Amino acid sequence: EDQVTQSPEALRLQEGESSSLNCSYTVSGLRGLFWYRQDPGKGPEFLFTLYSAGEEKEKERLKATLTKKESFLHITAPKPEDSATYLCAVQANSNDYKLSFGAGTTVTVRA
Amino acid sequence: DSGVTQTPKHLITATGQRVTLRCSPRSGDLSVYWYQQSLDQGLQFLIQYYNGEERAKGNILERFSAQQFPDLHSELNLSSLELGDSALYFCASSVDRGGTEAFFGQGTRLTVV
Repeated sequence: EDQVTQSPEALRLQEGESSSLNCSYTVSGLRGLFWYRQDPGKGPEFLFTLYSAGEEKEKERLKATLTKKESFLHITAPKPEDSATYLCAVQANSNDYKLSFGAGTTVTVRA
Repeated sequence: DSGVTQTPKHLITATGQRVTLRCSPRSGDLSVYWYQQSLDQGLQFLIQYYNGEERAKGNILERFSAQQFPDLHSELNLSSLELGDSALYFCASSVDRGGTEAFFGQGTRLTVV
């Protein structure tokens, strides 16, 4: 069964203090690794899809990278509006297309 | 706004009752996914439909069922409700079966009392 472990569970940052979130995964053939952002009481908002080791994608202050066993979400010079729960999910290279989600990392950025 | 519409936003009902949650996918998307999010379980995949046909099933209880209609909207039916069914239920849609860039609705918060 696909497994996704995210660390840390929670991260408190000062505005401008860069940091990284980790997503470790076990899947029998990776079709894609997805990062989502979720605000309280809202639906997950799509950020990135990574397909192969070595791939990197950037969006504003966020950068996602992928290796064969884990993915990192780097937050550079965060602002308070970056406060959210960041979810990592994997999709296996199989007949079903479900996303298996990690528990998430809750990021709080203080001004 | 993701373009995925879920109704109702909130639902409070008693144990033993039956409810129906509705989802309208983004225009042009053929795949609809249902997920359950509770505090202790995180986001759990329930079921996927693609162009009207069931495509994949996750940890969906027998008391739960879903369908996708010809206009591609989907409904999730929850019956014989228990207190433990209280959760946020999300619908997501994507253009293809591969789940790439699945877009989520705002969810239906179900409270069973």
